[in-house]
Amino acid sequence: GAVVSQHPSWVICKSGTSVKIECRSLDFQATTMFWYRQFPKQSLMLMATSNEGSKATYEQGVEKDKFLINHASLTLSTLTVTSAHPEDSSFYICSASARQTDQPQHFGDGTRLSIL
Amino acid sequence: QKEVEQNSGPLSVPEGAIASLNCTYSDRGSQSFFWYRQYSGKSPELIMFIYSNGDKEDGRFTAQLNKASQYVSLLIRDSQPSDSATYLCAVSTGGFKTIFGAGTRLFVKA
Repeated sequence: GAVVSQHPSWVICKSGTSVKIECRSLDFQATTMFWYRQFPKQSLMLMATSNEGSKATYEQGVEKDKFLINHASLTLSTLTVTSAHPEDSSFYICSASARQTDQPQHFGDGTRLSIL
Repeated sequence: QKEVEQNSGPLSVPEGAIASLNCTYSDRGSQSFFWYRQYSGKSPELIMFIYSNGDKEDGRFTAQLNKASQYVSLLIRDSQPSDSATYLCAVSTGGFKTIFGAGTRLFVKA
């Protein structure tokens, strides 16, 4: 149980392109989903927390107009990197928690984004 | 100030030995504690969670929690080369906020 599906797993695109990443909880309802970014050999960096049906809460330093998050249902959240540039190249990972508080986060497989 | 502290390592142990990974946290109100394993280039995978003081065992893994001392540890018995990864400690203070440590790199030598 507690499977989180994330796709695409790998994206290569030209600078200026917008890229959408989907995160789905397959066998549980995820009230809250999280989006992380991780650079090589560095720690997970939380970008934003999204609750179903409400606006995402962004961490300090993360541009909300650059990283658009939508959490329209209890099983789906999307992250759109708008007008991506080479410095946005990174490993993006989503996670989801079930309704109950203090439940662990379950991670998707991540999306490796490369902007040329 | 970091809220969840881990030794970055690398921690190197021989195959078959016990690997001991430690984590301290600053918020005394923390209620839930998790250990994740992350292989290089992959996303984190939940391996243990613990809510109460004491030990919790699952196969070769044992999580230990001491709320008075504000530390949580993970023991891996009979370590295997396939256990080589970064281990992330995560602490929840209630609600949906979870703080991750920076991780400890474990290397198990064959």
